[in-house]
Amino acid sequence: AQSVTQLGSHVSVSEGALVLLRCNYSSSVPPYLFWYVQYPNQGLQLLLKYTTGATLVKGINGFEAEFKKSETSFHLTKPSAHMSDAAEYFCAVSAQTTRQLTFGSGTQLTVLP
Amino acid sequence: DADVTQTPRNRITKTGKRIMLECSQTKGHDRMYWYRQDPGLGLRLIYYSFDVKDINKGEISDGYSVSRQAQAKFSLSLESAIPNQTALYFCATSDPSGRGHSGANVLTFGAGSRLTVL
Repeated sequence: AQSVTQLGSHVSVSEGALVLLRCNYSSSVPPYLFWYVQYPNQGLQLLLKYTTGATLVKGINGFEAEFKKSETSFHLTKPSAHMSDAAEYFCAVSAQTTRQLTFGSGTQLTVLP
Repeated sequence: DADVTQTPRNRITKTGKRIMLECSQTKGHDRMYWYRQDPGLGLRLIYYSFDVKDINKGEISDGYSVSRQAQAKFSLSLESAIPNQTALYFCATSDPSGRGHSGANVLTFGAGSRLTVL
């Protein structure tokens, strides 16, 4: 069984401030981890993914995430928020032995001017 | 044209009506999925299909059925719609070409179909 918990359904940051969106997962086998972003009135698109290898993963638009097995976490960060980063962000988990991707409940990011 | 096209984009219907949401893709992917998005609940998997003859229930399949008419087409039906099926529905596709990491294939989503059941 696998599950994802995203801490904080709403996060607000000022433009130029650090963005930190938290994700913890549960998986009985080594996980594959993803962050997707959903802009208003659009479908989800992939930001980044972790499969194996380097635990710090870089994605599009300056985002990155670090896989920490000991903490079962995959938090998403960006050093400096931009107004265009305002969107809903979803963490997701799957595994080689599963056929399904399980999503977290999402975090709505607001960027304040 | 979009890689994954969903029709209709918006639909308002009444309780008890039959509704079909259609999805077509030009990605050439074998795998197709239907998800439902509700505020605060994220995306939940309704059905998925790994090829035309392989259709599987997801976590919330009750009240829904699907048809995989071709590799490129995957439709979702609500035989008798009820108000708690009001939601945003997404079709997605994926390609298992990441050999050795079949669970790591990336989903390509359509723009969504917003369904309101009165």
